[in-house]
Amino acid sequence: EVQVVESGGGLVQPGGSLRLSCAASGFTFSTYWMHWVRQAPGKGLVWVSRINSDGSITSYADFVKGRFTISRDNAKNTLYLQMNSLTAEDTAVYYCARDIAVAGPFDYWGQGTPVTVSS
Amino acid sequence: SYELTQPPSVSVSPGQTARITCSGDKLGDKYVCWYQQKPGQSPLLVIYQNIKRPSGIPERFSGSNSGNTATLTISGTQAMDEADYYCQAWDSSTVVFGGGTKLTVL
Repeated sequence: EVQVVESGGGLVQPGGSLRLSCAASGFTFSTYWMHWVRQAPGKGLVWVSRINSDGSITSYADFVKGRFTISRDNAKNTLYLQMNSLTAEDTAVYYCARDIAVAGPFDYWGQGTPVTVSS
Repeated sequence: SYELTQPPSVSVSPGQTARITCSGDKLGDKYVCWYQQKPGQSPLLVIYQNIKRPSGIPERFSGSNSGNTATLTISGTQAMDEADYYCQAWDSSTVVFGGGTKLTVL
């Protein structure tokens, strides 16, 4: 059974950092592009970042460029999102998602990990 | 930056056909997919590559895409279809979501 399980969310102060993880199982992780998507409370889905299968290609939404870094460890079947210089606007549930192709569609999503940026 | 526009809400009576639109510049030249999200749940892919249904998605879900508009059609809408629906496309190495449409079945 395909599963992606996020972890690492929590409460962080403005300006702080957090690293999210997404553990994948039930499929050959090293052959799929992976993405992070977030959803602020009561709001819609917003794409954050993506990474190719071997980690050599990454891209980011403009609002996180220079602050967030996506990476992966294929030996550990794990996707990461390092988030720095967090602001209240980064408060959201963060989902990792498996990509069928290169830029969607996303056929498997995790349950999400909540991130709250507040003092 | 590329934008996808959806109506905030659509209402439909049970058993009727619901249509949810997604508009964007020359959207018909791109692949569009659709996600369903129920309260407290993760998104679920219901249509991809404009017209394809993933395994396990009921046949009442269908999609189309032409010109500047993609449409998700739900035939014989059921109460269980009440949810938020999001379109998604790709432009210039960026994944773009529409703002979402709340489908109410009443």
